[in-house]
Amino acid sequence: KAGVTQTPRYLIKTRGQQVTLSCSPISGHRSVSWYQQTPGQGLQFLFEYFSETQRNKGNFPGRFSGRQFSNSRSEMNVSTLELGDSALYLCASSMGGGANVLTFGAGSRLTVL
Amino acid sequence: AQTVTQSQPEMSVQEAETVTLSCTYDTSENNYYLFWYKQPPSRQMILVIRQEAYKQQNATENRFSVNFQKAAKSFSLKISDSQLGDTAMYFCAFVPFNAGNNRKLIWGLGTSLAVNP
Repeated sequence: KAGVTQTPRYLIKTRGQQVTLSCSPISGHRSVSWYQQTPGQGLQFLFEYFSETQRNKGNFPGRFSGRQFSNSRSEMNVSTLELGDSALYLCASSMGGGANVLTFGAGSRLTVL
Repeated sequence: AQTVTQSQPEMSVQEAETVTLSCTYDTSENNYYLFWYKQPPSRQMILVIRQEAYKQQNATENRFSVNFQKAAKSFSLKISDSQLGDTAMYFCAFVPFNAGNNRKLIWGLGTSLAVNP
């Protein structure tokens, strides 16, 4: 059974640009969550999508957005990149029920210059 | 505010020995889940163990076990017979039980564990 796949694994952008990250969940998983991981702040919840609807949202500015497609694949977009957006972005999928067990991808490492 | 605190930024242990990682949390919720995840250098976050707050029995998974003290809001992880492959960052996380619709985990800053040969 394939795991959670995130692309790209690494990317470098400059300030002001925008970026789109992709996440393919485990087959059958309908919930996709996104987290930002930085050394200083640790892991912070960005948002969660379930059946193409955003179900939960963290405390990030509107520059951070996401969406989910009918096949449960999800994308997140960050516009007008800032240096502080440099981070590892983790995607996690789950069945969507009460177990709350997340399966993570390997992450996308974003560097903003 | 709900918080998770891991007071040990770094720890080390000799192979085959036992090590305990600490985690405390703060919440006014009565029902919630607690997790330990590990993140090896490969970056893949892997679930180690999960505990439901309404269960008094401590969870175990092979060499991994927890000491869950609900009144003290403490959730420590014990790794027995440590192996080199246990070298990783270990994160404690918490999520209130909310009709199964809450994926907003709250995380500690992690403990970097090194298992030495």
